[in-house]
Amino acid sequence: DIQMTQSPSSLSASVGDRVTITCRASQDISNYLAWFQQRPGKAPKSLIFGASSLQSGVPSRFGGSGSGTDFTLIISSLQPEDFATYYCQQYYSYPRTFGQGTRLEL
Amino acid sequence: QVQLQQWGAGLLKPSETLSLTCAVYGGSFSGYSWGWIRQPPGKGLEWIGEINHSGGTNYNPSLKSRVSILVDTSKNQFSLKVTSVTAADTAVYYCARGRRSGDSTAVDSWGQGALATVTS
Repeated sequence: DIQMTQSPSSLSASVGDRVTITCRASQDISNYLAWFQQRPGKAPKSLIFGASSLQSGVPSRFGGSGSGTDFTLIISSLQPEDFATYYCQQYYSYPRTFGQGTRLEL
Repeated sequence: QVQLQQWGAGLLKPSETLSLTCAVYGGSFSGYSWGWIRQPPGKGLEWIGEINHSGGTNYNPSLKSRVSILVDTSKNQFSLKVTSVTAADTAVYYCARGRRSGDSTAVDSWGQGALATVTS
């Protein structure tokens, strides 16, 4: 199985901050990388696919980059509704695997 | 805008079978993959498996012998069964749609989640 490792595990930030979350795959996954946001008590929401393509309706302050084994999620200017947990997932091979999550706190 | 509405699970005893169904509203059923993901209380996400547009299935090896995913195209629904449940299967279960991305599929829509609690 491909192991996905996110860093940091938690992050404190303020409204208006620029935030970067990283995700590393244990082997080359090309750009088959997705990012999800999960607010407490809610279902995850799909943010990014193909490492850098925004899902429909996702604000442009979210951005993704990377290829191969190293990937980044950037939130350019944090809004109050962005405080949540973020997960990366590889869909290059089966079984699909997730990172352990990054909790973004105020 | 597609919506995934799921039901089932609830309270189960060890060794029983967990059953969930997910209905798809407002979008095409064909051309997508349909899958299940779970989340134990306070923990991260675990991929369970999926069925593709051709009816082929892929399951997590950690669950493979106990899991089955079926599709009912006449109802725009798909289902999950997990047999011989234990306390380790206690989790919120999410259904999800996978949309074509390169040579694979990426999840773009999620159900609201359903809690399954296994206790004697």
